[in-house]
Amino acid sequence: QQQVKQSPQSLIVQKGGISIINCAYENTAFDYFPWYQQFPGKGPALLIAIRPDVSEKKEGRFTISFNKSAKQFSLHIMDSQPGDSATYFCAAASVRNFGNEKLTFGTGTRLTIIP
Amino acid sequence: NAGVMQNPRHLVRRRGQEARLRCSPMKGHSHVYWYRQLPEEGLKFMVYLQKENIIDESGMPKERFSAEFPKEGPSILRIQQVVRGDSAAYFCASSFRTGGIAEAFFGQGTRLTVV
Repeated sequence: QQQVKQSPQSLIVQKGGISIINCAYENTAFDYFPWYQQFPGKGPALLIAIRPDVSEKKEGRFTISFNKSAKQFSLHIMDSQPGDSATYFCAAASVRNFGNEKLTFGTGTRLTIIP
Repeated sequence: NAGVMQNPRHLVRRRGQEARLRCSPMKGHSHVYWYRQLPEEGLKFMVYLQKENIIDESGMPKERFSAEFPKEGPSILRIQQVVRGDSAAYFCASSFRTGGIAEAFFGQGTRLTVV
């Protein structure tokens, strides 16, 4: 079954702290792992993504850590800011499998950054 | 350079009516993906279309739902005889090439409420 499990469901972090969201997948055919940020009433926006040939990718305050053997990946938000308060979704897809490139999403994490 | 445009943004239908959701992809994009987001859940893949072709409809309910992407005009997701369980946010995303899900952009969604 193509599933992506995401935790925690909600997360409260103090301003300046590190927010960590975890995801685990089952399908070894997945080769693309993006994170999306969604604000209320808006569509999901791609935040950062990783391919399985690297163990870490960093863009500004956002870092993805990837553990291929454990089939897990996580999002770290450093120096978390109130503007980061949103719902975050991990996802996975098999982009090399043309015609079967649908994203499988996790259930989301509602992140709240408090002053 | 307009993004992915979805309309209407909000749609209210009575049980048994038809709902038509429109998605205009970004300029130059010929691939469209539809996703459904139930309250407090992640997005679920419904269908992947190219111009005049359905590539993957494995996520579409077998009855009442259909999608098209004609040569001219927007992609349409059509739900016949709506039921309360169809209430959700429907998002489309577009990309410019096969294998382009990694570069796809999401619209702001249509929020369907069935009363």
